[in-house]
Amino acid sequence: EVQLVESGGGLVQPGGSLRLSCAVSGFIFSDYYMDWVRQAHGKGLEWVGRSRNKANSYSTAYAASVEGRFTISRDESKTSLFLQMNSLKTEDTAVYYCVREGKGYCSNGVCNYAMDVWGQGTTVTVSS
Amino acid sequence: DIVMTQSPDSLAVSLGERATIKCKSSQSVLYSSNSKNYLAWYQQKPGQPPKLLIYWASTRESGVPDRFSGSGSGTDFTLTISSLQAEDVAVYYCQQYYTTLWTFGQGTKVEIK
Repeated sequence: EVQLVESGGGLVQPGGSLRLSCAVSGFIFSDYYMDWVRQAHGKGLEWVGRSRNKANSYSTAYAASVEGRFTISRDESKTSLFLQMNSLKTEDTAVYYCVREGKGYCSNGVCNYAMDVWGQGTTVTVSS
Repeated sequence: DIVMTQSPDSLAVSLGERATIKCKSSQSVLYSSNSKNYLAWYQQKPGQPPKLLIYWASTRESGVPDRFSGSGSGTDFTLTISSLQAEDVAVYYCQQYYTTLWTFGQGTKVEIK
């Protein structure tokens, strides 16, 4: 069964750091692009960042709102995705979802996929 | 960034009736190389993560009931629920995956009238 399980959320003060984890199972982790998407309480979905697959050196891309503060990484041996969040702000308070990009194919070097598997999310609260 | 705008923000439809949600992108999400629209629709029920319904603007995800359909091309897209069921009460989001940075519409809440 394909599964994504997030952990690591909690309460942190503004300016603090937190590291989220996403344990992956049921598919070949290194083959897939993976994302983090967040959702503030009662609000819409906001894409946070992306980790391309191993064939693309696990390169990353980030939303402007988190660029320079957040870092996505992977551990192949643990089949886990991570989101290191530094210099946290109150506006980073949200549920953070780990997501697989699994629907689509590469065309002329453009490899963009719809998000077909979502974790249950982990809650991050930034407050003093 | 590509801005995605959905309409309406909320919608109340009687059971068995049609529900129609619009999504407009600020620029085309049609990739000329493969003639694919990089547009997806998601359903989010209260307390749950989003669920993929439609990708490539009109391809239904496996297991999604055929009362859900997607249409449109370029910048204008539609999600149609042909006969609303009680379990379809949710918020629906469109999303473009044409250019990294992915962007979502603001969501449309569908309720029973």
